[in-house]
Amino acid sequence: GAVVSQHPSWVICKSGTSVKIECRSLDFQATTMFWYRQFPKQSLMLMATSNEGSKATYEQGVEKDKFLINHASLTLSTLTVTSAHPEDSSFYICSARDGVGRASFNEQFFGPGTRLTVL
Amino acid sequence: AQRVTQPEKLLSVFKGAPVELKCNYSYSGSPELFWYVQYSRQRLQLLLRHISRESIKGFTADLNKGETSFHLKKPFAQEEDSAMYYCALITDSWGKLQFGAGTQVVVTP
Repeated sequence: GAVVSQHPSWVICKSGTSVKIECRSLDFQATTMFWYRQFPKQSLMLMATSNEGSKATYEQGVEKDKFLINHASLTLSTLTVTSAHPEDSSFYICSARDGVGRASFNEQFFGPGTRLTVL
Repeated sequence: AQRVTQPEKLLSVFKGAPVELKCNYSYSGSPELFWYVQYSRQRLQLLLRHISRESIKGFTADLNKGETSFHLKKPFAQEEDSAMYYCALITDSWGKLQFGAGTQVVVTP
């Protein structure tokens, strides 16, 4: 099956610094990628939809200046957490949709997640 | 507003017993629903999609529009079925998914 990778798998940073997380589709082109946040023992919360070559669409309540998303190619999307604070500590997961056309026919493949800890 | 509800946080069943995970949804359009599974220390992966009407690993799920439900069932649970299960609903043409809260299934021998 298709593989989505994330890098890094975990990161610890100081408060006030910025952290970039990469999401790559390894063997397919993904015009659409999604970024989720997951708190311990909770479900995935969609943060934004990332479309190649255009601006990301953010969910209500998600600060676009705080969570910068860039989808520069068909295989790479990045999430940058700017000026990170302890409350940004979380598990960030990306997914990539294989192909174009009707969304329900195109499976989303999930990355393994990135654990961010802000001290 | 669209919503996916999984009322059970935890389901504990014995090996060989039937298991049913409940999922109810609220959506104004024609729903497209999925079940995703996350095994321990693994990434989320697709288990079932309602349009395929398939059985995967012995699991089936039927969309009931009258009851707005998409319950996941397996007649004989196995220990390897222990995992976190999420019901999800597509909410736009890009494939944006809304997930339920998830149900942790524990199958004991």
